[in-house]
Amino acid sequence: DAGVTQSPTHLIKTRGQQVTLRCSPKSGHDTVSWYQQALGQGPQFIFQYYEEEERQRGNFPDRFSGHQFPNYSSELNVNALLLGDSALYLCASSLERFNSPLHFGNGTRLTVT
Amino acid sequence: AQSVAQPEDQVNVAEGNPLTVKCTYSVSGNPYLFWYVQYPNRGLQFLLKYITGDNLVKGSYGFEAEFNKSQTSFHLKKPSALVSDSALYFCAVSLGAGSYQLTFGKGTKLSVIP
Repeated sequence: DAGVTQSPTHLIKTRGQQVTLRCSPKSGHDTVSWYQQALGQGPQFIFQYYEEEERQRGNFPDRFSGHQFPNYSSELNVNALLLGDSALYLCASSLERFNSPLHFGNGTRLTVT
Repeated sequence: AQSVAQPEDQVNVAEGNPLTVKCTYSVSGNPYLFWYVQYPNRGLQFLLKYITGDNLVKGSYGFEAEFNKSQTSFHLKKPSALVSDSALYFCAVSLGAGSYQLTFGKGTKLSVIP
């Protein structure tokens, strides 16, 4: 049973560029959340997708956008990259319940130069 | 607004000794509380959660946590530490119904010394 898979594992981009990160949820899960984890910090909630719609959003600018596909996989897009966007981006899947534990992927390490 | 504080950046404990990793929270309502563990270059793994009911919650790998409403704390404990428990531990809080956002603490690095 595959867990949450994310691609790519590492990515280097230049300021001002755009990036797309991908996530496949754990089998049976229908909800996908994205988190940003800066070095030495806890993960910060970006947004959550359910039924192909953004259900809740954290305190991130509109440069951060996402999408969920009918097969529940998801993409995170970041436009106009800033140096401060360098971080580990974590995808987490879960069942559609408030107390359903999150299952995290290993993340995508994004470096902006 | 909701927040989580993990007052210790690092906790060192000898193998076989009991361990405690501290967490306090602040929410305007009844909290849903979680503990996750992160190994190097990996994502987070769920350990346990408190939603309602018994204040002592048992989770994976022999870990447990005690919910204390008056002290707004949710400390993680284990009776006998293993070297393999060495990792980064995160406490998280959610407002539960109506909120899908988990707010994480900054993490506590646990080192178990052989």
